[in-house]
Amino acid sequence: DQQVKQNSPSLSVQEGRISILNCDYTNSMFDYFLWYKKYPAEGPTFLISISSIKDKNEDGRFTVFLNKSAKHLSLHIVPSQPGDSAVYFCAASATGAQKLVFGQGTRLTINP
Amino acid sequence: GAGVSQSPSNKVTEKGKDVELRCDPISGHTALYWYRQSLGQGLEFLIYFQGNSAPDKSGLPSDRFSAERTGGSVSTLTIQRTQQEDSAVYLCASSLGRRSEAFFGQGTRLTVV
Repeated sequence: DQQVKQNSPSLSVQEGRISILNCDYTNSMFDYFLWYKKYPAEGPTFLISISSIKDKNEDGRFTVFLNKSAKHLSLHIVPSQPGDSAVYFCAASATGAQKLVFGQGTRLTINP
Repeated sequence: GAGVSQSPSNKVTEKGKDVELRCDPISGHTALYWYRQSLGQGLEFLIYFQGNSAPDKSGLPSDRFSAERTGGSVSTLTIQRTQQEDSAVYLCASSLGRRSEAFFGQGTRLTVV
């Protein structure tokens, strides 16, 4: 039962362009969402989060959009840089529950 | 330390042996998570500790897996009678609690041969 899904295992974007990473969820009780970035041989690092009371949160080049009716969130990176090449995970947690549920990840490659 | 520390960083063990993986969370973080990532897979939740509350063990894949958190700080994940399918990177994370981002350690790569 995959409650958080990242349907694109990989994405390739040209440097300077916008990268859009997508995530869908099925549990309507999820009310807090996060994006993590992972380099090889390292643990995931937190990027940005959003609460369900918002539909957008921005931090520098990173913006997360939440569409509750569609149970969909996306991460926009603009402009994309070579150092953004990594695996990106979305995660969610539900009211009353504590654990973070992660998607399968999307490998982003930024081409020069 | 400044971050979450896990040890060992790599562990190779023979099938059937027991292993213990250690996690030192960030000081002051009341929440502690264990996840694992098998080759080509996402992050699979194993267990969650929050303060003095009963842990959420709903992700432990079998009764061969157990975890403790002593004194609300250090945690040990124990896998008994290891199997080849237990081979994965085991990740520990800590946070200030719900609605706070979790900070991950670098993980322990477990290989069962």
